Amino acid sequence: SAVISQKPSRDICQRGTSLTIQCQVDSQVTMMFWYRQQPGQSLTLIATANQGSEATYESGFVIDKFPISRPNLTFSTLTVSNLSPEDSSIYLCSVDTGGYYGYTFGSGTRLTVV
Amino acid sequence: GENVEQHPSTLSVQEGDSAVIKCTYSDSASNYFPWYKQELGKRPQLIIDIRSNVGEKKDQRIAVTLNKTAKHFSLHITETQPEDSAVYFCAASTDTGFQKLVFGTGTRLLVSP
Repeated sequence: SAVISQKPSRDICQRGTSLTIQCQVDSQVTMMFWYRQQPGQSLTLIATANQGSEATYESGFVIDKFPISRPNLTFSTLTVSNLSPEDSSIYLCSVDTGGYYGYTFGSGTRLTVV
Repeated sequence: GENVEQHPSTLSVQEGDSAVIKCTYSDSASNYFPWYKQELGKRPQLIIDIRSNVGEKKDQRIAVTLNKTAKHFSLHITETQPEDSAVYFCAASTDTGFQKLVFGTGTRLLVSP
């Protein structure tokens, strides 16, 4: 299966600042997915990132708040902008490795906004 | 869009008992149904999945059944062990590789020795 390196693993940020999360995959993938997991909750898709085009955002998520870059087939970043305490969550990237391993997740970024 | 409901939200069993978690989905076009296990502080891990051309799939103590007519699928864990304690998520997708996964709300399974 694909190996995803996600960083940072955790961060504590001040209100009003931004955090950029990086995901690096060890193989080329067409789509990368960004999820948010609020404390004790399920995973909610933020957006789908396709190399060479703008990301597709889910209802309730906007590009100004969650800008995404996808410069090549192995890398993507998610920025969480203008942070507020409500943004405190775990953010995970995911790719579909196909076949037996299905969707694989990065190790997650635990964001705390103070 | 797709909506996935999952029940129960918590499930407590004794070691050796069976556990069953059920999910229903709304989009009849969905054809891929994975189950993920998430231990505390860790990433979700795929434990089993099923596609719409199959009614049941088994992997050792874990099995998944799918009823496309009723639009529901279930996870069955037999001979539960304390290490099965975790949060389990079902999900549905219309395809792999190019479509998103929509997750259920999760089931916290506690297996007591």
